[in-house]
Amino acid sequence: EAEVAQSPRYKITEKSQAVAFWCDPISGHATLYWYRQILGQGPELLVQFQDESVVDDSQLPKDRFSAERLKGVDSTLKIQPAELGDSAMYLCASSLGVGGLQETQYFGPGTRLLVL
Amino acid sequence: AQSVTQPDIHITVSEGASLELRCNYSYGATPYLFWYVQSPGQGLQLLLKYFSGDTLVQGIKGFEAEFKRSQSSFNLRKPSVHWSDAAEYFCAVGPYTGTASKLTFGTGTRLQVTL
Repeated sequence: EAEVAQSPRYKITEKSQAVAFWCDPISGHATLYWYRQILGQGPELLVQFQDESVVDDSQLPKDRFSAERLKGVDSTLKIQPAELGDSAMYLCASSLGVGGLQETQYFGPGTRLLVL
Repeated sequence: AQSVTQPDIHITVSEGASLELRCNYSYGATPYLFWYVQSPGQGLQLLLKYFSGDTLVQGIKGFEAEFKRSQSSFNLRKPSVHWSDAAEYFCAVGPYTGTASKLTFGTGTRLQVTL
């Protein structure tokens, strides 16, 4: 069964350092999502891509976070500089088509980030 | 703005007992409603979803949920819990419009199953 791949699974970094997460969606999925899940809370959407274009990045802290999906396939989420409050699980998800909620979002295992 | 409340942070049930997890939502129009499960170290898996029609929705792993518009609720149920059901459960709501995909999740309910 096809899965969403994410790496690394765990990342420890010091504040003010740069960190990057990678996501490879299910093959053929046009829509890709990045979520942040702070401990004890539900996931929060950071950014949504339709192919290589950003559809929604209204919750992305753009002063330090960036996301790209250059060829419309895999994606990278970057934080620079990292802050203590960025410690969280970063989840990637993908869906097949244009991203409406009729489509199921398939989630990867996540990257757990700890900022010291 | 849409929101989801899961009033129970943690629930413990015995294996074989029935389960009900509560979810209340706030949304100005007809919502899409979802239940996801997250096992330790894993991503979220969709259990079931409600868009329209029959208000009792069947999902995977023997779960079902009932949409009650008058109570703004979408509670998750299972008649007989298995030890493997121990996980965290998230209710989510989204807009019933076009290609908009922004899900709003609740804070989750952690289910513990005792043998």
